Parts: sequence; structure tokens; C-alpha cells
Amino acid sequence: GAVVSQHPSRVICKSGTSVKIECRSLDFQATTMFWYRQFPKQSLMLMATSNEGSKATYEQGVEKDKFLINHASLTLSTLTVTSAHPEDSSFYICSARMRGRNHEQYFGPGTRLTVT
Amino acid sequence: QQQVKQSPQSLIVQKGGISIINCAYENTAFDYFPWYQQFPGKGPALLIAIRPDVSEKKEGRFTISFNKSAKQFSLHIMDSQPGDSATYFCAASYNFNKFYFGSGTKLNVKP
Repeated sequence: GAVVSQHPSRVICKSGTSVKIECRSLDFQATTMFWYRQFPKQSLMLMATSNEGSKATYEQGVEKDKFLINHASLTLSTLTVTSAHPEDSSFYICSARMRGRNHEQYFGPGTRLTVT
Repeated sequence: QQQVKQSPQSLIVQKGGISIINCAYENTAFDYFPWYQQFPGKGPALLIAIRPDVSEKKEGRFTISFNKSAKQFSLHIMDSQPGDSATYFCAASYNFNKFYFGSGTKLNVKP
């Protein structure tokens, strides 16, 4: 149980375009989802916390107009990187926390974004 | 300010040996301390976690030692195997609201 999927697993896009990454909790309802960014050989950096039905809370230094997060249902959150640039190339990982009680977060497999 | 400090950055252990990774934290309000294992190109997976009301937790070959007064906790991997080669992250959280991650330790277990 507690499986989180991400789609796509890899994406290559041209500079200036937008890319959408989906995060789904497959076998549980998640009221809270987290979006992380990880640079090579570095730790996870929390970008934002999204709660179902409300606006995401962004960490300091993360541009909310560039990284649009939507948490439309209890099983789906999306991250859209708008007007992507090469410096946005990174490994994006989501995690989800079970509904109803404070609980551990479960991570998705990540999405490798490359902006050319 | 880095909330969780992790060491070493990398670790090489012979098969069958003990791998030890250490973490220290600042915020005494943290009440949950997990360890994650991450393989290249994959998301982190929860390995083992501990609450501050116990000093040790063991699950199979993995043990967390927790020292509340020193604000330190460590992961011990007994009988390390090549399949354990991965990057390990410690983390700390208050009420599961936000997780602060250590910088990671790349473990290489030599056959």
C-alpha cells in the first residue's frame, strides 16, 4: 500500500515552453502533497506544500508564478513549470501524506526534467 | 540555517561490515526522525523511523540510535550488502507538517 506515482518519469522540453508533472496517490487519499526539487548529488529541497482544495504554500525563494501547483482532488496534484529555462532542469519529486491523520509521507519515483 | 546536519558525505564499507551514518538536529520540537534510502533516478523510500521517546529502534539489519540530550541520531546497517549501496537521507519533522532533510550520504558496499 501507499503507492505514489509520477508522470512523466522523464521529459525534455525546449526553453520557453511549459511542462506539467502529475503526482498521484494510487491506493490512498492524500490531503497533503509536497513537491521537492533535487539537484544532482544533493538533498531534497521542499518547494511547496499543497492541500486539497486550497492554494499551495510555497517555500521562501520559490516563484509561485513559475511553479504552478494544483491539488484538484484527494489523489492528484500537478506541478507546472512555466516558461522553462535550462536552470529549471532538475529532478522533481512529489510526496503524499494520508488523509485523516498525521502520517509519514510517501514519495513518488520522481520526474527528470531537462530543458534545452 | 541548516536544520539537520548529516555526515559523512560518502562512506565505503566492505560486505558484511557495519555502516554508520550520523545526523544532528537543532530544533527540539522535532518529534519524528525518519531515514530514507534512495537509488539513482528513483524517489526516496522510507527505511526506518523513530520517535524521541525511545532511544533505539531496530528493524532487521537497520537500527536507529537516538540521543535526545545530544540532539543526535544515527543509522546503523549491520552486515552491509552490495545491494545496500545507495544514498541515505536522514530527516526531521514536527507533527509531520514539514520535513527537513540532511544532505545525504552515499554508501558504497564493496563485495
